[in-house]
Amino acid sequence: GQNIDQPTEMTATEGAIVQINCTYQTSGFNGLFWYQQHAGEAPTFLSYNVLDGLEEKGRFSSFLSRSKGYSYLLLKELQMKDSASYLCAVRGNAGNMLTFGGGTRLMVKP
Amino acid sequence: EAGVAQSPRYKIIEKRQSVAFWCNPISGHATLYWYQQILGQGPKLLIQFQNNGVVDDSQLPKDRFSAERLKGVDSTLKIQPAKLEDSAVYLCASSFGGWQYFGPGTRLTVT
Repeated sequence: GQNIDQPTEMTATEGAIVQINCTYQTSGFNGLFWYQQHAGEAPTFLSYNVLDGLEEKGRFSSFLSRSKGYSYLLLKELQMKDSASYLCAVRGNAGNMLTFGGGTRLMVKP
Repeated sequence: EAGVAQSPRYKIIEKRQSVAFWCNPISGHATLYWYQQILGQGPKLLIQFQNNGVVDDSQLPKDRFSAERLKGVDSTLKIQPAKLEDSAVYLCASSFGGWQYFGPGTRLTVT
């Protein structure tokens, strides 16, 4: 089975940097995804890691350590519009199925 | 390119009633997923289709939930009869090349 843990809520200040952690225990691993979900909207894809290391995409970066079952999403130069839930999801070995964590609700304050 | 379409966007029903949701995936996407997302939680996979065949429905409560994708394109998810705990957003996603694209969801409230 799959078990994915991430903090329930985080608060940060506009312009700052925030790191959202995700730990996972899975029976199979074929990649880790981060999605952003604004309230009342569909999840939208942010980043994907399948090999160890850091993937950078503008203000957003994601890191993966497969040996530790650990990932983080790093958001730089926070903007008010970054207030949303951030979902960590692991893809198993079969069928491209994703197992999601509970999501981290990020609140950005002025 | 049009995204994943879902309807209705909102539905309010009383417990023990029936409800159906519709999903039209992105054109050419063979794989379709239905997720249930309870408020404050991450999406939970209910069923995965590959064309018109079921790949995984291990988390679908089959005593009350059913889903079909008869022609390998559109899909419907039905709940009969609904319970209070079925109140959630039902998300449809389709995928190509391993990337999943989500629709806007249907928010179901069971009273």
